[in-house]
Amino acid sequence: GIQVEQSPPDLILQEGANSTLRCNFSDSVNNLQWFHQNPWGQLINLFYIPSGTKQNGRLSATTVATERYSLLYISSSQTTDSGVYFCAVGISGAGSYQLTFGKGTKLSVIP
Amino acid sequence: NAGVTQTPKFQVLKTGQSMTLQCAQDMNHNSMYWYRQDPGMGLRLIYYSASEGTTDKGEVPNGYNVSRLNKREFSLRLESAAPSQTSVYFCASSTHRGRIGTGELFFGEGSRLTVL
Repeated sequence: GIQVEQSPPDLILQEGANSTLRCNFSDSVNNLQWFHQNPWGQLINLFYIPSGTKQNGRLSATTVATERYSLLYISSSQTTDSGVYFCAVGISGAGSYQLTFGKGTKLSVIP
Repeated sequence: NAGVTQTPKFQVLKTGQSMTLQCAQDMNHNSMYWYRQDPGMGLRLIYYSASEGTTDKGEVPNGYNVSRLNKREFSLRLESAAPSQTSVYFCASSTHRGRIGTGELFFGEGSRLTVL
C-alpha cells in the first residue's frame, strides 16, 4: 500500500516562531488532508488539499502532487497550536475511501 | 450543531466480553468510518461505509463487525474483546467527492477502550 512519511517527528518552537511540516507519499494521490490533534485528543480537519495552495489564517498548505509531497506552514505560532499534526492521503479506484495516515508530527509551542 | 457523536467515551472490558461503540452524525454525510489510534501508529481504518447500505473492510478489520443502521448511524461491535483491541477509537464522517471518494473527514471525540 501507499506509504506516508511525516517529518520532523517532533518539533519544539518558541511562541511566535514559524515552522514547516512535511508529508511525503509514495504513490500518486487524489486526496490529501491535514489534521490537528489537540492535547485533549480532538481531531480537527485543517485542509483538504490534493493539489495547489490554501491558506486559513496563520496556517497554509501546499501540495505538489507530481513530486509527491505536501507542506504545512504555521506562522507566528501560539501555544494553542501544540498537538500532533497528521497528513492523510487517498488514492483513486477501489481505495478511494481509505485514507492512509502518517504517524504525525508532534509540535510543542512554549511561551 | 453536534457534528459526530460517539458513545461511550470510556469503557473497560474483560477479555472475551462484547460491546458496541455507537456513532451518529448530523451533517447529512453519506460516508462514515471507524478508525483506531495506537501510540506511534497514527490512525488505521477498521471499516467504512461509503453510503447507506454498504460496508467495507479497511486496513485492520479482524475482530470487529459494523452496522450502518441508517444514514446517520454507524456502529462498531467487538464480539470477543482481546487486549490487542485496547485503543482509542474514532468515528468519522465525510461527504462524497465522486470518483475521488471521501471528502473532508470530520471526527468524533473518540472512545477510549481498555481490555484487561
